[in-house]
Amino acid sequence: QQQVKQSPQSLIVQKGGISIINCAYENTAFDYFPWYQQFPGKGPALLIAIRPDVSEKKEGRFTISFNKSAKQFSLHIMDSQPGDSATYFCAARFNQFYFGTGTSLTVIP
Amino acid sequence: KAGVTQTPRYLIKTRGQQVTLSCSPISGHRSVSWYQQTPGQGLQFLFEYFSETQRNKGNFPGRFSGRQFSNSRSEMNVSTLELGDSALYLCASSPWTSGDNEQFFGPGTRLTVL
Repeated sequence: QQQVKQSPQSLIVQKGGISIINCAYENTAFDYFPWYQQFPGKGPALLIAIRPDVSEKKEGRFTISFNKSAKQFSLHIMDSQPGDSATYFCAARFNQFYFGTGTSLTVIP
Repeated sequence: KAGVTQTPRYLIKTRGQQVTLSCSPISGHRSVSWYQQTPGQGLQFLFEYFSETQRNKGNFPGRFSGRQFSNSRSEMNVSTLELGDSALYLCASSPWTSGDNEQFFGPGTRLTVL
């Protein structure tokens, strides 16, 4: 059973556009929600993370929106660039990390 | 500070063999976790070690085992390999001090089972 459900599976965005990736969870015991970025041949790297007592966190062009009542959180990439083309994973932690299945983002120049 | 290193980077084995993968965490990090990454399944948690003790274990068969040494280096072993074990195996280290949840991943070991 997938503890964290991620969508879409793939996403194509024009340069300068907004990329939005969504995740949903069921376990209300999760206490930490990170997003990871992975390039081919590399391990995932932490991009941004949020705790459930905060509704939004912004770091540069990356924003996490967190809706505790709906048990959903999303990653917004503003002004998307070709260099953002990668696979993105959401995750949630309770004793261990549970990952979404990933979103392959392609930003077209 | 050097990052998480994993050896070997690539490995080809045949069914029924066993394999040992190695992970050296970031200096000072005491927690090491292992994940299996396959297309469509994302990252699946295998186990976590902290101070040489297995702290958490995912839902994998007993063919998958691990250990951690006193210097925090960790090894993962898979016995009686099956075709379905072909995957990227990722190691992640964490300082795991109070409130610090960040994991740092290595580049992974690509295992192919023929």
